[in-house]
Amino acid sequence: DIQMTQSPSSLSASVGDRVTITCRASQGISNYLAWYQQKPGKVPKLLIYAASTLQSGVPSRFSGSGSGTDFTLTISSLQPEDVATYYCQEYISAPLTFGGGTKVEIK
Amino acid sequence: EVQLVQSGAEVKKPGESLKISCKASGYTFTSYWIGWVRQMPGKGLEWMGIIYPGDSDTRYSPSLQGQVTISADKSTTTAYLQWSSLKASDTAMYYCARHSGSGKYAHWFDPWGQGTLVTVSS
Repeated sequence: DIQMTQSPSSLSASVGDRVTITCRASQGISNYLAWYQQKPGKVPKLLIYAASTLQSGVPSRFSGSGSGTDFTLTISSLQPEDVATYYCQEYISAPLTFGGGTKVEIK
Repeated sequence: EVQLVQSGAEVKKPGESLKISCKASGYTFTSYWIGWVRQMPGKGLEWMGIIYPGDSDTRYSPSLQGQVTISADKSTTTAYLQWSSLKASDTAMYYCARHSGSGKYAHWFDPWGQGTLVTVSS
């Protein structure tokens, strides 16, 4: 089974800061990677699929990159409404593992 | 509009059985994988398994195989997650979610149901 490791597990940044979250797969997954945002008490929401394709309606300050084993989610200018936990998920083959999550807070 | 509507919150005792549901609408139920995701209190998302209602092909997380059963009823376009004997450690929020693309290729989850909170306590 593929293991997905996210870092950091949490971060605190100021409004307007550039924020980067990384996700590493234990073996190559090409670009079969999605990112989700989960706000406190809410249902997870798809942000990005195929490693870098922004889901319709997601603000353009979010972007994804990477291929193979190393991936990043970037928020170009952190906004108060971005406070959430972010998860990566590989979907190359079952079990479709999630990363452990990165909690993003405002400093 | 694609919708996944889950059954309501449950409070059960250890050893009891339970079956929670996820009613799908707005798409061809038999053509998309639908799965379950567990979120224990204060913890992250955990992929539990998926089922392809078209042929009942089911895949489970190795860590949960034998602990739960995933099923689907094509006549009512409903997916199910069931336990035969609950434990306190099954206390969690459970989400159903559909694969975004049709067919048996793997896809990301979108959309998601609203979640069903299961509490197991004596």
